[in-house]
Amino acid sequence: SQTIHQWPATLVQPVGSPLSLECTVEGTSNPNLYWYRQAAGRGLQLLFYSVGIGQISSEVPQNLSASRPQDRQFILSSKKLLLSDSGFYLCAWSVDSPATNEKLFFGSGTQLSVL
Amino acid sequence: AQSVTQLGSHVSVSEGALVLLRCNYSSSVPPYLFWYVQYPNQGLQLLLKYTSAATLVKGINGFEAEFKKSETSFHLTKPSAHMSDAAEYFCAVSDQNQGGKLIFGQGTELSVKP
Repeated sequence: SQTIHQWPATLVQPVGSPLSLECTVEGTSNPNLYWYRQAAGRGLQLLFYSVGIGQISSEVPQNLSASRPQDRQFILSSKKLLLSDSGFYLCAWSVDSPATNEKLFFGSGTQLSVL
Repeated sequence: AQSVTQLGSHVSVSEGALVLLRCNYSSSVPPYLFWYVQYPNQGLQLLLKYTSAATLVKGINGFEAEFKKSETSFHLTKPSAHMSDAAEYFCAVSDQNQGGKLIFGQGTELSVKP
Protein backbone atom coordinates (compact mmCIF):
# COMPACT_ATOMS: atom_id res chain seq x y z
CA SER A 1 0.00 0.00 0.00
CA GLN A 2 1.05 3.57 -0.58
CA THR A 3 2.06 5.88 2.24
CA ILE A 4 3.26 9.46 2.43
CA HIS A 5 5.56 10.77 5.12
CA GLN A 6 6.03 14.42 5.91
CA TRP A 7 8.22 15.91 8.60
CA PRO A 8 8.61 17.63 10.91
CA ALA A 9 5.07 17.92 12.25
CA THR A 10 5.74 21.28 13.87
CA LEU A 11 8.53 23.78 13.46
CA VAL A 12 9.30 27.13 15.03
CA GLN A 13 11.94 29.17 13.24
CA PRO A 14 13.25 32.73 13.59
CA VAL A 15 12.91 35.21 10.76
CA GLY A 16 15.85 34.96 8.39
CA SER A 17 16.65 31.35 9.15
CA PRO A 18 16.65 28.62 6.48
CA LEU A 19 13.91 26.03 6.00
CA SER A 20 13.81 22.47 4.79
CA LEU A 21 10.64 20.38 4.84
CA GLU A 22 10.79 16.87 3.49
CA CYS A 23 8.17 14.61 2.02
CA THR A 24 8.57 11.03 0.84
CA VAL A 25 6.13 8.64 -0.77
CA GLU A 26 6.30 4.85 -0.56
CA GLY A 27 4.56 2.14 -2.50
CA THR A 28 4.20 3.91 -5.84
CA SER A 29 6.46 5.03 -8.64
CA ASN A 30 6.64 8.25 -10.65
CA PRO A 31 3.98 10.07 -8.63
CA ASN A 32 2.98 13.66 -9.17
CA LEU A 33 4.04 15.56 -6.06
CA TYR A 34 2.65 18.76 -4.61
CA TRP A 35 3.29 21.30 -1.90
CA TYR A 36 0.28 23.21 -0.58
CA ARG A 37 0.14 25.90 2.08
CA GLN A 38 -2.76 26.80 4.28
CA ALA A 39 -2.33 30.22 5.86
CA ALA A 40 -4.39 31.13 8.91
CA GLY A 41 -7.94 32.04 7.90
CA ARG A 42 -7.33 31.20 4.27
CA GLY A 43 -7.79 28.23 2.00
CA LEU A 44 -5.23 25.94 0.50
CA GLN A 45 -2.83 27.40 -2.00
CA LEU A 46 -0.83 25.28 -4.42
CA LEU A 47 2.82 26.27 -4.16
CA PHE A 48 4.70 23.76 -6.30
CA TYR A 49 4.03 20.61 -8.25
CA SER A 50 6.32 18.11 -9.88
CA VAL A 51 5.65 15.47 -12.51
CA GLY A 52 9.13 13.94 -12.38
CA ILE A 53 12.65 14.11 -11.00
CA GLY A 54 14.05 17.61 -11.38
CA GLN A 55 10.80 18.93 -12.86
CA ILE A 56 9.31 21.64 -10.68
CA SER A 57 6.54 24.07 -11.50
CA SER A 58 5.90 27.07 -9.30
CA GLU A 59 2.36 28.32 -9.03
CA VAL A 60 2.96 31.56 -7.16
CA PRO A 61 5.97 33.83 -6.74
CA GLN A 62 7.34 33.56 -3.24
CA ASN A 63 10.21 33.17 -0.90
CA LEU A 64 10.21 29.39 -1.19
CA SER A 65 11.67 26.82 -3.55
CA ALA A 66 11.14 23.13 -4.13
CA SER A 67 13.33 20.30 -5.30
CA ARG A 68 12.81 16.68 -6.27
CA PRO A 69 16.16 14.89 -6.00
CA GLN A 70 14.60 11.43 -6.16
CA ASP A 71 11.45 10.00 -7.68
CA ARG A 72 9.57 9.82 -4.39
CA GLN A 73 11.16 12.69 -2.48
CA PHE A 74 9.96 16.28 -2.51
CA ILE A 75 11.65 19.04 -0.51
CA LEU A 76 10.41 22.52 0.28
CA SER A 77 13.10 25.05 1.13
CA SER A 78 13.83 28.64 1.90
CA LYS A 79 17.13 30.45 2.36
CA LYS A 80 15.64 33.12 4.62
CA LEU A 81 12.23 32.77 6.20
CA LEU A 82 9.79 35.66 6.39
CA LEU A 83 7.00 36.15 8.90
CA SER A 84 4.52 35.65 6.07
CA ASP A 85 5.86 32.13 5.50
CA SER A 86 4.05 30.94 8.62
CA GLY A 87 1.32 28.44 7.91
CA PHE A 88 0.38 24.81 7.59
CA TYR A 89 2.24 23.06 4.78
CA LEU A 90 0.87 19.95 3.16
CA CYS A 91 2.62 17.58 0.83
CA ALA A 92 0.50 15.47 -1.49
CA TRP A 93 0.86 12.94 -4.26
CA SER A 94 -1.24 11.61 -7.09
CA VAL A 95 -0.88 9.20 -9.95
CA ASP A 96 -2.22 9.95 -13.39
CA SER A 97 -4.45 7.02 -14.07
CA PRO A 98 -8.16 6.62 -14.79
CA ALA A 99 -8.54 4.50 -11.67
CA THR A 100 -7.47 7.24 -9.32
CA ASN A 101 -9.56 9.96 -10.98
CA GLU A 102 -7.42 12.83 -9.83
CA LYS A 103 -7.38 11.78 -6.20
CA LEU A 104 -4.78 13.44 -4.06
CA PHE A 105 -3.26 11.73 -1.07
CA PHE A 106 -2.10 14.15 1.60
CA GLY A 107 0.57 13.98 4.24
CA SER A 108 -0.16 14.93 7.83
CA GLY A 109 1.21 18.43 7.41
CA THR A 110 3.83 20.68 9.01
CA GLN A 111 2.79 23.62 11.16
CA LEU A 112 5.45 26.28 10.59
CA SER A 113 5.65 29.29 12.88
CA VAL A 114 8.10 32.03 11.93
CA LEU A 115 8.82 34.38 14.82
CA ALA B 1 -9.52 29.84 -15.03
CA GLN B 2 -11.07 27.67 -12.41
CA SER B 3 -12.18 28.89 -9.03
CA VAL B 4 -14.13 27.74 -6.02
CA THR B 5 -16.24 29.77 -3.62
CA GLN B 6 -17.38 28.40 -0.30
CA LEU B 7 -20.18 30.45 1.21
CA GLY B 8 -19.67 30.92 4.91
CA SER B 9 -16.31 30.57 6.59
CA HIS B 10 -17.99 29.23 9.70
CA VAL B 11 -21.12 27.13 10.11
CA SER B 12 -22.56 26.06 13.45
CA VAL B 13 -25.21 23.38 13.85
CA SER B 14 -26.69 21.42 16.73
CA GLU B 15 -26.01 17.74 17.11
CA GLY B 16 -28.58 15.83 15.07
CA ALA B 17 -29.35 18.76 12.78
CA LEU B 18 -28.85 18.93 9.04
CA VAL B 19 -25.40 19.92 7.82
CA LEU B 20 -25.25 22.02 4.64
CA LEU B 21 -21.95 23.40 3.42
CA ARG B 22 -22.13 25.41 0.22
CA CYS B 23 -19.71 25.32 -2.69
CA ASN B 24 -19.93 27.01 -6.06
CA TYR B 25 -17.37 26.54 -8.77
CA SER B 26 -16.28 28.18 -11.96
CA SER B 27 -14.80 26.13 -14.75
CA SER B 28 -14.69 26.43 -18.51
CA VAL B 29 -14.40 22.68 -18.94
CA PRO B 30 -16.23 19.79 -17.27
CA PRO B 31 -14.77 19.68 -13.80
CA TYR B 32 -13.86 17.12 -11.24
CA LEU B 33 -15.15 18.25 -7.85
CA PHE B 34 -14.05 17.20 -4.40
CA TRP B 35 -14.80 17.71 -0.76
CA TYR B 36 -11.98 17.27 1.72
CA VAL B 37 -12.13 17.34 5.52
CA GLN B 38 -9.38 18.46 7.85
CA TYR B 39 -9.63 17.50 11.50
CA PRO B 40 -7.66 19.59 14.00
CA ASN B 41 -3.90 19.21 13.62
CA GLN B 42 -4.24 16.68 10.84
CA GLY B 43 -3.82 16.55 7.11
CA LEU B 44 -6.64 16.40 4.62
CA GLN B 45 -8.87 13.44 3.96
CA LEU B 46 -11.01 12.95 0.91
CA LEU B 47 -14.72 12.89 1.76
CA LEU B 48 -16.09 12.39 -1.72
CA LYS B 49 -15.54 13.27 -5.35
CA TYR B 50 -17.54 13.89 -8.50
CA THR B 51 -16.02 12.67 -11.74
CA SER B 52 -18.88 13.03 -14.25
CA ALA B 53 -20.69 9.84 -13.31
CA ALA B 54 -23.70 10.06 -10.95
CA THR B 55 -24.59 13.61 -9.95
CA LEU B 56 -25.38 12.57 -6.38
CA VAL B 57 -22.18 11.41 -4.77
CA LYS B 58 -22.04 9.55 -1.48
CA GLY B 59 -18.93 9.79 0.64
CA ILE B 60 -17.60 8.62 3.94
CA ASN B 61 -19.13 9.33 7.36
CA GLY B 62 -22.65 9.81 5.95
CA PHE B 63 -21.83 12.83 3.81
CA GLU B 64 -23.08 13.34 0.28
CA ALA B 65 -22.95 16.06 -2.35
CA GLU B 66 -24.96 16.81 -5.44
CA PHE B 67 -23.46 18.20 -8.63
CA LYS B 68 -25.81 20.75 -10.18
CA LYS B 69 -24.42 22.01 -13.45
CA SER B 70 -27.18 24.60 -13.93
CA GLU B 71 -26.29 26.16 -10.58
CA THR B 72 -22.53 25.44 -10.80
CA SER B 73 -22.82 24.08 -7.29
CA PHE B 74 -21.55 21.10 -5.34
CA HIS B 75 -23.02 21.51 -1.85
CA LEU B 76 -22.12 19.06 0.89
CA THR B 77 -24.84 17.68 3.15
CA LYS B 78 -25.33 15.28 6.02
CA PRO B 79 -28.80 14.57 7.43
CA SER B 80 -27.76 14.43 11.08
CA ALA B 81 -24.65 16.09 12.51
CA HIS B 82 -22.45 14.32 15.00
CA MET B 83 -20.00 15.91 17.40
CA SER B 84 -17.15 14.17 15.57
CA ASP B 85 -18.04 16.06 12.37
CA ALA B 86 -16.53 19.26 13.79
CA ALA B 87 -13.71 20.07 11.40
CA GLU B 88 -12.76 22.28 8.48
CA TYR B 89 -14.17 21.35 5.10
CA PHE B 90 -12.67 22.26 1.76
CA CYS B 91 -14.30 22.16 -1.63
CA ALA B 92 -11.95 21.76 -4.58
CA VAL B 93 -12.10 21.66 -8.35
CA SER B 94 -9.70 20.32 -10.89
CA ASP B 95 -9.52 20.39 -14.63
CA GLN B 96 -9.93 16.90 -16.03
CA ASN B 97 -6.76 17.45 -18.00
CA GLN B 98 -4.50 18.80 -15.25
CA GLY B 99 -3.75 15.75 -13.18
CA GLY B 100 -3.95 16.38 -9.47
CA LYS B 101 -3.76 20.16 -9.55
CA LEU B 102 -6.60 21.13 -7.30
CA ILE B 103 -7.98 24.60 -6.74
CA PHE B 104 -9.34 24.85 -3.22
CA GLY B 105 -11.99 27.03 -1.70
CA GLN B 106 -11.34 29.07 1.41
CA GLY B 107 -12.70 26.40 3.68
CA THR B 108 -15.69 26.25 6.02
CA GLU B 109 -15.24 25.51 9.69
CA LEU B 110 -18.07 23.36 11.00
CA SER B 111 -18.91 23.53 14.71
CA VAL B 112 -21.35 21.06 16.25
CA LYS B 113 -23.10 22.04 19.46
CA PRO B 114 -24.37 19.43 21.92
